Amino acid sequence: EVQLVQSGAEVKKPGESLKISCKGSGYSFTSYWIGWVRQMPGKGLEWMGIIYPGDSDTRYSPSFQGQVTISADKSISTAYLQWSSLKASDTAMYYCARPRGDLTGNWYFDLWGRGTLVTVSS
Amino acid sequence: DIQMTQSPSSLSASVGDRVTITCRASQSISSYLNWYQQKPGKAPKLLIYAASSLQSGVPSRFSGSGSGTDFTLTISSLQPEDFATYYCQQSYSTLYSFGQGTKLEIK
Repeated sequence: EVQLVQSGAEVKKPGESLKISCKGSGYSFTSYWIGWVRQMPGKGLEWMGIIYPGDSDTRYSPSFQGQVTISADKSISTAYLQWSSLKASDTAMYYCARPRGDLTGNWYFDLWGRGTLVTVSS
Repeated sequence: DIQMTQSPSSLSASVGDRVTITCRASQSISSYLNWYQQKPGKAPKLLIYAASSLQSGVPSRFSGSGSGTDFTLTISSLQPEDFATYYCQQSYSTLYSFGQGTKLEIK
């Protein structure tokens, strides 16, 4: 089965570090980009950035550049999203999703993980 | 950055109604526009890609149209399972921005 399996919910304190994961299976992990999307409580979807596990080429939304780090370990088909110092405002659901390109050059997210809920509270 | 603006932000409708949601881009994005449905506590689900192509497995009552800056998602006859939040997303820019969402509620 083609799927993205995300790591479990996390509860952290402000200032702590965190790395969440997204494991791809059932397809060639190194042949597709993987993206991360934030959804704050009761809010909409925000695209954070993407990585190509084949060569670790990474692109960030300007809103998230410098705030998070996206990485991947192709040997275990896993992408990561990490913070060095969490803030209360990082409390959100984080989804990984696979962008897929069509013949017109359009890119769409056709495969999603179930999400990882990150709660940051003192 | 390309800004995506959806209207309305929320909408009340009844089962069987025809519903249209609009998405406007801040600049021309050709047909690089996708639509997603999200139900509470669930990940988004792709409905329409490239403005008007129906994703496999999605009911034919969903349709999309538009190009350039103005796009629409239409549900021809609302079913109980269609009450959800809908998002547009552009891929003209690799910044892949989403609209703010349209919450479709039962009247």
